[in-house]
Amino acid sequence: LAKTTQPISMDSYEGQEVNITCSHNNIATNDYITWYQQFPSQGPRFIIQGYKTKVTNEVASLFIPADRKSSTLSLPRVSLSDTAVYYCLVGERDSSYKLIFGSGTRLLVRP
Amino acid sequence: SAVISQKPSRDICQRGTSLTIQCQVDSQVTMMFWYRQQPGQSLTLIATANQGSEATYESGFVIDKFPISRPNLTFSTLTVSNMSPEDSSIYLCSVRDGPQDIQYFGAGTRLSVL
Repeated sequence: LAKTTQPISMDSYEGQEVNITCSHNNIATNDYITWYQQFPSQGPRFIIQGYKTKVTNEVASLFIPADRKSSTLSLPRVSLSDTAVYYCLVGERDSSYKLIFGSGTRLLVRP
Repeated sequence: SAVISQKPSRDICQRGTSLTIQCQVDSQVTMMFWYRQQPGQSLTLIATANQGSEATYESGFVIDKFPISRPNLTFSTLTVSNMSPEDSSIYLCSVRDGPQDIQYFGAGTRLSVL
């Protein structure tokens, strides 16, 4: 399983764009990149998943360079409610793979 | 997306007792998992709950301590046996669902052992 490395914590202010970068140097050909968000006292919530280039949904964008050794989760115009832990995970998108969580990035959004 | 219900949402238990946590999903799913999240830590996979057969445990977790049942494709239980204060954690049920095999999580069971 590919190991991921993320910053332990990040600070931002309301209205700013936040970019969280994840390193996954030994990502395999069949691996997808998935990001989760976790609020205190809740289970992780799926945010976005991608394989290459750029993926965008109503919540975030995911940028993946051609070598796929890193990825960047972009949260546009964050609000206080975006304060959470964000996890980057890498694995095959099939029914048998196990989702293994790293330490995550603790994002604090200030007023 | 799959809707996951866990019971109980929280409990306070005495040392040496056991607690069974239930996980109910609103649709049939192939893969169900159990995770543990200790205070201030990330999630750790305990086991994969296999329907109709014994669960597959990760390193450091054993069936005697964490027996798991999966009688059908929508339900699973995790028992935390002979509890000690070190078992105080949040226990989360998770399922994989949909064409993109996205994994979803329940709200968790917050367990405190005195």
